[in-house]
Amino acid sequence: GDSVTQMEGPVTLSEEAFLTINCTYTATGYPSLFWYVQYPGEGLQLLLKATKADDKGSNKGFEATYRKETTSFHLEKGSVQVSDSAVYFCALSDQGGSEKLVFGKGTKLTVNP
Amino acid sequence: EAGVAQSPRYKIIEKRQSVAFWCNPISGHATLYWYQQILGQGPKLLIQFQNNGVVDDSQLPKDRFSAERLKGVDSTLKIQPAKLEDSAVYLCASSLGDGSQETQYFGPGTRLLVL
Repeated sequence: GDSVTQMEGPVTLSEEAFLTINCTYTATGYPSLFWYVQYPGEGLQLLLKATKADDKGSNKGFEATYRKETTSFHLEKGSVQVSDSAVYFCALSDQGGSEKLVFGKGTKLTVNP
Repeated sequence: EAGVAQSPRYKIIEKRQSVAFWCNPISGHATLYWYQQILGQGPKLLIQFQNNGVVDDSQLPKDRFSAERLKGVDSTLKIQPAKLEDSAVYLCASSLGDGSQETQYFGPGTRLLVL
C-alpha cells in the first residue's frame, strides 16, 4: 500500500540555519503531497501542498518540490526561526481515491536562539 | 470561520471500560475523518464519512471501535472495551468533499490514556 518515509528526528538547529527534512513516498498512482505542521499544544495545520509532478508548494518561507523521478517531497527553509519549532509531517493523498491522508512518522524540529 | 471542534480534550479510563469522543466539523464540510495518532507516529485513518455514509473503514478495529455520523454533521467515535494499546490522540478532520483534493482541517484532538 501507499506509504511515506521521513527522516528521523529530532532535529536541532540554531536560528537562521538552513533546514531540510527529507520525505520519500511509495504510491501506486499519482498522489498529492502535503506537509503538515503541529506546533506545541496545537492541532495539525496544512503548511503546503503539491498536486502534480514538478509543482512547488510554498508557505511561510518553507518550500517543497514534487519530484516524481525520485518519489520525494523534501521540505526546505533557508533561515529558520525559533517560532518554527514544531513537529512536521509529510503526507500523501491518493488522487481519485478516498482522499485519505497517509502520514509519515513526523520530524520534531527545535530551533534555538 | 469556526474550526473543527472535538470533545473531550483529555480522557483517562481503565482497560475494559468504554469511552466516546465527539466531533463537530466545519460547517458545510461533507467529508469527515477520524485518525488515531499513537505517540511517536503519524496519524492513521480509522474511518472516513462522506455525508452520513462510510467511505473507508478498512483500518477500524470493528470488534471494539464504532463510529457514526447519523445526520451527516456531527460524529461520535466509541471504543468498547478499551485496551491499553488504544492510548493515543484521536483526531477528527473535515474537508469540503467535492473530490478536488482540497485541504483537510484538523481539530485539536482528544488525548486518551488507558490504564
